[in-house]
Amino acid sequence: QKEVEQDPGPLSVPEGAIVSLNCTYSNSAFQYFMWYRQYSRKGPELLMYTYSSGNKEDGRFTAQVDKSSKYISLFIRDSQPSDSATYLCAMSPVSSASKIIFGSGTRLSIRP
Amino acid sequence: EAQVTQNPRYLITVTGKKLTVTCSQNMNHEYMSWYRQDPGLGLRQIYYSMNVEVTDKGDVPEGYKVSRKEKRNFPLILESPSPNQTSLYFCASSLSAGKAGELFFGEGSRLTVL
Repeated sequence: QKEVEQDPGPLSVPEGAIVSLNCTYSNSAFQYFMWYRQYSRKGPELLMYTYSSGNKEDGRFTAQVDKSSKYISLFIRDSQPSDSATYLCAMSPVSSASKIIFGSGTRLSIRP
Repeated sequence: EAQVTQNPRYLITVTGKKLTVTCSQNMNHEYMSWYRQDPGLGLRQIYYSMNVEVTDKGDVPEGYKVSRKEKRNFPLILESPSPNQTSLYFCASSLSAGKAGELFFGEGSRLTVL
């Protein structure tokens, strides 16, 4: 069983919809949670970064962590075609770049 | 412009022919690392470097070598490439190893080994 599980998709939604992307994990030691966005033929870029449980909001994006369920989510409000990309969740037990474990990514397509 | 630059972006080679993928960052970052990305497996860390002359194995180091002689450069060396090393490779950097999550990635190097 992988430490981090992520539905590969693809997920296709109409423009303006609310998108929910999710990851589950098995290691209860994870404390740092990240979401990266990867456009086609590009490297991943950090989108959201949270520590421990709770919500974090940045514009149209909200990251949610539920450590009791070992479940993290990324919500995108008012989705745009420019949000079409692969979204990777990532997590780490400590504040160390060398310990980050990535999910395999969910491919998202926003239909105009 | 702050960036991580990888070369080559695309390469087709044959089994056993040594190759080097270069990585350079212009952000004065201490931490650098290499990942490979394969369908269904996500990003897996090959090697990382906390600082100059300090390198360590990641999760999938077999068949790869690295060196960190200068702060800005972190080349990935495949001494004798094999077909199972066909993959998309990413170099990443961070201001320090303690900055979990704040990784800056290059644009990737797609390698095919025949």
